[in-house]
Amino acid sequence: KQEVTQIPAALSVPEGENLVLNCSFTDSAIYNLQWFRQDPGKGLTSLLLIQSSQREQTSGRLNASLDKSSGRSTLYIAASQPGDSATYLCAGWGSARQLTFGSGTQLTVLP
Amino acid sequence: EAQVTQNPRYLITVTGKKLTVTCSQNMNHEYMSWYRQDPGLGLRQIYYSMNVEVTDKGDVPEGYKVSRKEKRNFPLILESPSPNQTSLYFCASSLSSGSGSPLHFGNGTRLTVT
Repeated sequence: KQEVTQIPAALSVPEGENLVLNCSFTDSAIYNLQWFRQDPGKGLTSLLLIQSSQREQTSGRLNASLDKSSGRSTLYIAASQPGDSATYLCAGWGSARQLTFGSGTQLTVLP
Repeated sequence: EAQVTQNPRYLITVTGKKLTVTCSQNMNHEYMSWYRQDPGLGLRQIYYSMNVEVTDKGDVPEGYKVSRKEKRNFPLILESPSPNQTSLYFCASSLSSGSGSPLHFGNGTRLTVT
């Protein structure tokens, strides 16, 4: 059964910093990995999807990488802004055709 | 606009009173799924459906039922709600499971069972 872990659980940084959020998973037979953003009281918004055959995806200031051999994914946020404050979740599609979520990293970007 | 629509957004009910949370998507997606989100436990999958008339249990299916009679709709049914089902529920859909298509989420239903 796929297990997904995110470290750290919370992170606070000053505006303008570049930062990295980490995600690790146990099932290397992963189909793809998806990063989401969740604002308080809201649903999840898909940020980036990395297919198992890819190593990274980029969208604007966001870059996500996937290393299946080590069971790790990272989300890199460049030049962070207060509007980036949210909870970031990673989720992996495993061999059981189910999506398993990490517990999230709560990011606060201070002005 | 492409979206997943859940109703209601907020629901307060009493123990044992049957309820249904509706979910509809307008993207012709094959895969639909229900999750519950609880503090400290994260998002857990309740049921999922690979296509019409095909449903399967997720990690926490006890106390819930689903049906997929049409491609666009995937209601979540609580036949006899209990207080431990108080939670934030999300419906989601994607073109197909495990593929290169992202998962789209509804805005959530906050359920309180007293």
